[in-house]
Amino acid sequence: DTAVSQTPKYLVTQMGNDKSIKCEQNLGHDTMYWYKQDSKKFLKIMFSYNNKELIINETVPNRFSPKSPDKAHLNLHINSLELGDSAVYFCASSHWHRENEKLFFGSGTQLSVL
Amino acid sequence: QKEVEQNSGPLSVPEGAIASLNCTYSDRGSQSFFWYRQYSGKSPELIMFIYSNGDKEDGRFTAQLNKASQYVSLLIRDSQPSDSATYLCAVNSPGTYKYIFGTGTRLKVLA
Repeated sequence: DTAVSQTPKYLVTQMGNDKSIKCEQNLGHDTMYWYKQDSKKFLKIMFSYNNKELIINETVPNRFSPKSPDKAHLNLHINSLELGDSAVYFCASSHWHRENEKLFFGSGTQLSVL
Repeated sequence: QKEVEQNSGPLSVPEGAIASLNCTYSDRGSQSFFWYRQYSGKSPELIMFIYSNGDKEDGRFTAQLNKASQYVSLLIRDSQPSDSATYLCAVNSPGTYKYIFGTGTRLKVLA
């Protein structure tokens, strides 16, 4: 069983479009994250949610809107896509309140904006 | 200064040698340290974690932590071509709700 699953795996779209990426985890974790990985492999945190509440928004443009309907799901909607949004987006999850808990990643969504 | 720094490489080692990967971090309050391996086109995969000063061994992998020097390293013994990947160092601190990653070191093990 996949622990952290996200869909779609690939997303190719035109500038200006709106798109969504979905993420689900079945690990029973209380915290979920979105990371963006650029072409140089740098993983930068975008958002983190703890028990459905937004905890971190790392100065991400408001075109990006995460939504967490419950602890097991964290979706990412992106409005008015721009060329610079092209990257791989990773969903991840962990237990935060358990000391020294590890972070588990989904398989990633490669977004290409043309 | 970046929060977590790694040499981007590539680090090239011959098969069977020891590969040594290094990472420094800026937040003295950091408590948990992780090494992830990422193959091209794949997601990061956790291979080691360390919380206390000293060494921690798991098979061919050894993680070393020195909190006084704010330094964490990963040693890979008997390196294999299949170890060729990007290795990402990650750090978290209590109450921050985020794991901070370094830029990764690309390792090439030459057959």
